[in-house]
Amino acid sequence: ETGVTQSPTHLIKTRGQQVTLRCSSQSGHNTVSWYQQALGQGPQFIFQYYREEENGRGNFPPRFSGLQFPNYSSELNVNALELDDSALYLCASSLAMGLVVEQFFGPGTRLTVL
Amino acid sequence: RKEVEQDPGPFNVPEGATVAFNCTYSNSASQSFFWYRQDCRKEPKLLMSVYSSGNEDGRFTAQLNRASQYISLLIRDSKLSDSATYLCVVRPTHQAGTALIFGKGTTLSVSS
Repeated sequence: ETGVTQSPTHLIKTRGQQVTLRCSSQSGHNTVSWYQQALGQGPQFIFQYYREEENGRGNFPPRFSGLQFPNYSSELNVNALELDDSALYLCASSLAMGLVVEQFFGPGTRLTVL
Repeated sequence: RKEVEQDPGPFNVPEGATVAFNCTYSNSASQSFFWYRQDCRKEPKLLMSVYSSGNEDGRFTAQLNRASQYISLLIRDSKLSDSATYLCVVRPTHQAGTALIFGKGTTLSVSS
C-alpha cells in the first residue's frame, strides 16, 4: 500500500452537478497531483499542488479546480459536470526534492455522470 | 502526434513466453522514463524506471534509446500474474510541478 487514500471510492452524479473528491497524501509528502483516467485511456494530468499552491496544470477547463491544505491533503472540485467527466480520478503524492520524483497513486475515485 | 505512444494491444501470450512492449515519445527534452503496471480497476503502480544504460529487474528488462526517442519493456518467462495493463510514462523535466505523461497502455493477458 502507498499510504495515499482517496474518498469516496465511487460516486454517481447527474449532469450539471458539482463534485468534490478528496485525497490524503503519504506521510511526509508535500506535493499532490491529480489525474483523470477515462476508460481505455492512460491517466491525464489535471493539476498539481505544492505547499498549498497550484504548481502546474494540464489541459482542463477552469471548472476543474483544487485546493491543498496545510497538512498537504487535497481536494479536486468539478463544477457543471458533463457526461465526459465520467472517469477514474487518481491522486498521486510525492516529495518534491531530488532529480527523480516518484509519484505514489491512491486507489482512485470512480465518478459516473448520468 | 501524441506525446507518448504505445503498441496497441492486447497481447495474448502463453505462460513462459517472452513479450516485448514498445513506446515512443515526442518531446526530445524529456528527462525521466518509467513503466507503470495497472491491474484492472486499480491504480497505476511503478514497475521500474528506465535508464539510458538499460536496466533489469528479475524477468523485466527496460531499455531507453534517446536518439530514437524509444522505450521498451521485455518480460521473460511470463507468469499468469503478469496479466495487466502496462503504461509507458515520461516526465518532461526534473522540475517539481512537472506532470507524468502517460501512454494509453498496452494490455497483456497471460494464459495457462
